[in-house]
Amino acid sequence: AQTVTQSQPEMSVQEAETVTLSCTYDTSESDYYLFWYKQPPSRQMILVIRQEAYKQQNATENRFSVNFQKAAKSFSLKISDSQLGDAAMYFCAYRGGADGLTFGKGTHLIIQP
Amino acid sequence: EAGVAQSPRYKIIEKRQSVAFWCNPISGHATLYWYQQILGQGPKLLIQFQNNGVVDDSQLPKDRFSAERLKGVDSTLKIQPAKLEDSAVYLCASSLRQGAVEYEQYFGPGTRLTVT
Repeated sequence: AQTVTQSQPEMSVQEAETVTLSCTYDTSESDYYLFWYKQPPSRQMILVIRQEAYKQQNATENRFSVNFQKAAKSFSLKISDSQLGDAAMYFCAYRGGADGLTFGKGTHLIIQP
Repeated sequence: EAGVAQSPRYKIIEKRQSVAFWCNPISGHATLYWYQQILGQGPKLLIQFQNNGVVDDSQLPKDRFSAERLKGVDSTLKIQPAKLEDSAVYLCASSLRQGAVEYEQYFGPGTRLTVT
């Protein structure tokens, strides 16, 4: 079974600075997808960024980028120029093929003004 | 484009009572998922439908939980009878499938269930 581990229960960063959230996963599959989701207090789960395992290039979406290390099974999220609206729970998730998502326990991101 | 709709948003029941949740996926999305998110944890997949057929229900507690997706569109998740440990947010998600490719999952706002 696949597992996803987020070792940082909470992270704090000053507004406008950069923060990196960590995620590791375990799988025996070679073809899979990785995601970062944001969940604000409203509970709506919002997709931040996705990475296909077969792609060597790290995904980037505006201020959000990932560092995907397939051999190390590591998938970290970097948020540049942090904004107050970035404050939320962030979940790392794994999907093999057409399966459902396997989520980590989440990292609570606090933005200090 | 309308998102995934869920109702009710909140529900409080006593243990041993029954409860049902409703989900309407994004139009055209053949795949529908139900997740359970206990406070302080990430969501856990309960069941996955492809059209009106079950793809994966390996983590669904079948002695008390049931789900159906009639006509391959709306879905209901039922708990009967509820236990205290069922207190959680129940999230519905849907995704588009084209051939062998499954696209991103879009989530609804969730239903917060409190069992007292």
